[in-house]
Amino acid sequence: QVQLVQSGAEVKKPGASVKVSCKASGYSFTNFYIHWVRQAPGQGLEWMGIVNPSGYYTDYTDYARKFQGRVTMTADTSTSTVYLELNNLKSDDTAVYYCARDADFRYYFDYWGQGTLVTVSS
Amino acid sequence: AVQLTQSPSSLSASVGDRVTITCRASQGISSALAWYQQKPGKAPNLLIYDASTLQSGVPTRFSGSGSGTDFTLTISSLQPEDCATYFCQQFNGYPLFGPGTKVEIK
Repeated sequence: QVQLVQSGAEVKKPGASVKVSCKASGYSFTNFYIHWVRQAPGQGLEWMGIVNPSGYYTDYTDYARKFQGRVTMTADTSTSTVYLELNNLKSDDTAVYYCARDADFRYYFDYWGQGTLVTVSS
Repeated sequence: AVQLTQSPSSLSASVGDRVTITCRASQGISSALAWYQQKPGKAPNLLIYDASTLQSGVPTRFSGSGSGTDFTLTISSLQPEDCATYFCQQFNGYPLFGPGTKVEIK
């Protein structure tokens, strides 16, 4: 069965960086895009970007304009893992970060990770 | 850029009631709309895509309709386990989510 398993919760200080992992299993890793979506406490869902793990376009990425220059999404095909790195953290980056599998190259999401809480606090 | 609104923002209904949630796009998005259910502390779960296609494994009491700018999610007979927040999401371009509708049991 398809599973996306994310790394554990993180606590960071303002200005620091965080790297969250998402390990995929149960399907062909290189055949599906992975997106990152975040949700601040009590708030809605915010799309951050996409990474294509395919070997054809190595680590093809596209980021939401809001995060460009501060975010990096990468994929490791040897471990079927994608990573989200967010730099220069601010308090309003406190959120649950989800990885989600793209359904059929359509930019909607058929499987989600369990979420990783990132808390930014001095 | 496209904006999505949902109404109502919350509702309370009885078990067995028919519940309808509306999602409106600020410009036409054809049928590029999905609906998700999210329970507290959990990741969202895909219910509907392409505005009206039921995702495999989702109960048939859930249905979706609409195209262009106006969309609805209907729960034909509300069950206790349907207590959740429901989000629409457009995928005619970069993904964008609606603000959500919280459904409670009366």
